[in-house]
Amino acid sequence: KQEVTQIPAALSVPEGENLVLNCSFTDSAIYNLQWFRQDPGKGLTSLLLIQSSQREQTSGRLNASLDKSSGRSTLYIAASQPGDSATYLCARYSGAGSYQLTFGKGTKLSVIP
Amino acid sequence: GAVVSQHPSWVICKSGTSVKIECRSLDFQATTMFWYRQFPKQSLMLMATSNEGSKATYEQGVEKDKFLINHASLTLSTLTVTSAHPEDSSFYICSAPGLAGHEQFFGPGTRLTVL
Repeated sequence: KQEVTQIPAALSVPEGENLVLNCSFTDSAIYNLQWFRQDPGKGLTSLLLIQSSQREQTSGRLNASLDKSSGRSTLYIAASQPGDSATYLCARYSGAGSYQLTFGKGTKLSVIP
Repeated sequence: GAVVSQHPSWVICKSGTSVKIECRSLDFQATTMFWYRQFPKQSLMLMATSNEGSKATYEQGVEKDKFLINHASLTLSTLTVTSAHPEDSSFYICSAPGLAGHEQFFGPGTRLTVL
């Protein structure tokens, strides 16, 4: 059974700081990975999808990378803003062509004004 | 991007009653939808895969007779929690793969509280 681990569980940074969220997975298989944002009591907003053939994806101030050899993915947030405060979830697809996702427990980010 | 809706957004019910949650793909068809459950401060756990026109596939440990899933059309899947108990109180979220097939789109979730 594959597992997804996110470190740290919580992070508090001052506004304007750049930060990195980490995600690691136990199996060595190469599948797609997706980062989500979840606001309290809300559903999930997709941030970035990295396909298994890709190394990174960028959207605005967000950059996600995938290192297949080490089983790790990072989400880089540049120039953080209070509106970035949320829980960030990393999820791996369960197999080639599969739509099933295995989620990490998330990193709760607080950006202090 | 593709939009998935859920109804209701929250529901409070008495123990022993049944609750139905709807998941709709608004601007695309979804032959497959997924149902997740999220307990407080925990991550999302896949409960079942809903397949249009056929039986749902349940994950290990999920009671199929308690969590009834019906995927009657290409845009609607329903989850019915039968004889709900307080331990069923949770945040239920559905998702559907987009047209490109590479990523999931999630509904806004339904907060179920069983008294």
